[in-house]
Amino acid sequence: AQRVTQPEKLLSVFKGAPVELKCNYSYSGSPELFWYVQYSRQRLQLLLRHISRESIKGFTADLNKGETSFHLKKPFAQEEDSAMYYCALRGSSGNTPLVFGKGTRLSVIA
Amino acid sequence: GAVVSQHPSWVICKSGTSVKIECRSLDFQATTMFWYRQFPKQSLMLMATSNEGSKATYEQGVEKDKFLINHASLTLSTLTVTSAHPEDSSFYICSARDRVAGGETQYFGPGTRLLVL
Repeated sequence: AQRVTQPEKLLSVFKGAPVELKCNYSYSGSPELFWYVQYSRQRLQLLLRHISRESIKGFTADLNKGETSFHLKKPFAQEEDSAMYYCALRGSSGNTPLVFGKGTRLSVIA
Repeated sequence: GAVVSQHPSWVICKSGTSVKIECRSLDFQATTMFWYRQFPKQSLMLMATSNEGSKATYEQGVEKDKFLINHASLTLSTLTVTSAHPEDSSFYICSARDRVAGGETQYFGPGTRLLVL
């Protein structure tokens, strides 16, 4: 069964401090992992995906298959990073949908 | 970028009535659309997967006769909540996958907030 776990409901950090949003997953095959972000009063949007190995808005995430983790990191948090972050998984076979974690609300304090 | 729209953005209805929510991909064709439901302070829960021209695939625990999904074209999918009850009050979000782009990315609509009185 597919499962995405985000252990923290809320994470508060000071501006300029490092941020790490945790995500662990359970999947029997080779999944695709994503991070989605939802800013206040806006729709859900893709932040980054593991296959791209890119850095978006200073955020990075590395897929660790051994630990089945895909933690989201940023070295210096900005106030505009405050949002709801969802880790999501999609199976690699067929036309499968995204399965989401419960989300972590990041609050960056000035 | 690709845009997904939903209509209406919010709706209030009486218990027992039916409500139809539209989801449109505005500048791309979507062979597959997904319907999610989100309760307050909770994550998105997948309700069903809708493929153009075929029957929707419902997730376990989702009543297909209650949540009717029609995906008649490559740019439109509708979700009808039949005989709505207060427990159906929720935030419904659709998502579409771009056929041309290879289906890598799901684009999300802004959501429809349903309140059943």
